[in-house]
Amino acid sequence: DQQVKQNSPSLSVQEGRISILNCDYTNSMFDYFLWYKKYPAEGPTFLISISSIKDKNEDGRFTVFLNKSAKHLSLHIVPSQPGDSAVYFCAGRTYRGSGGSNYKLTFGKGTLLTVNP
Amino acid sequence: DAGITQSPRHKVTETGTPVTLRCHQTENHRYMYWYRQDPGHGLRLIHYSYGVKDTDKGEVSDGYSVSRSKTEDFLLTLESATSSQTSVYFCAISAISGRSGNTIYFGEGSWLTVV
Repeated sequence: DQQVKQNSPSLSVQEGRISILNCDYTNSMFDYFLWYKKYPAEGPTFLISISSIKDKNEDGRFTVFLNKSAKHLSLHIVPSQPGDSAVYFCAGRTYRGSGGSNYKLTFGKGTLLTVNP
Repeated sequence: DAGITQSPRHKVTETGTPVTLRCHQTENHRYMYWYRQDPGHGLRLIHYSYGVKDTDKGEVSDGYSVSRSKTEDFLLTLESATSSQTSVYFCAISAISGRSGNTIYFGEGSWLTVV
């Protein structure tokens, strides 16, 4: 059962245009959704997150939208830059209990974004 | 920078040999994780730890064991490596960030090839 789905393995956009990466989920228990960016030969780095009670969160060029009724979220990058070329992972977070930072992340398979100069 | 160091960063080993990957953190985080990343599968949780000597299984734990004798070190052991365990392994910690509250941060990865 794939709880987080990124149905587009790859996406190619022109520099300066908008990049839209999509993610669907099935688990209603996710309390946060996170996006990670990963360059080759490096670890994933946290990009932006959104609470399940919000519908939008913005941080500079990055905006994440959440449509809870559709169980769908999207990451918008405007304007796209060649340095944004990377694999982007969507993840849903669940709390395991017992206090503290006891969280679990469930990841999608990732989308490779290529921004062409 | 979440203060995570993984070692070794790259290793080639033979089928059937034991392998131990080490994750070291410097900021006293309670929760630590081991993930593996494979093409077509994203990142999958192998094991996690919620304190010294407290560990639990993730979704792909078969063939792996872990130990945490000190807060700062979380070890992942492949008792008898198989070719299906060729992968990139990421250690992670859970920490609070001013930007996002509780977030999981990853190390730089350990590339393991089993031949």
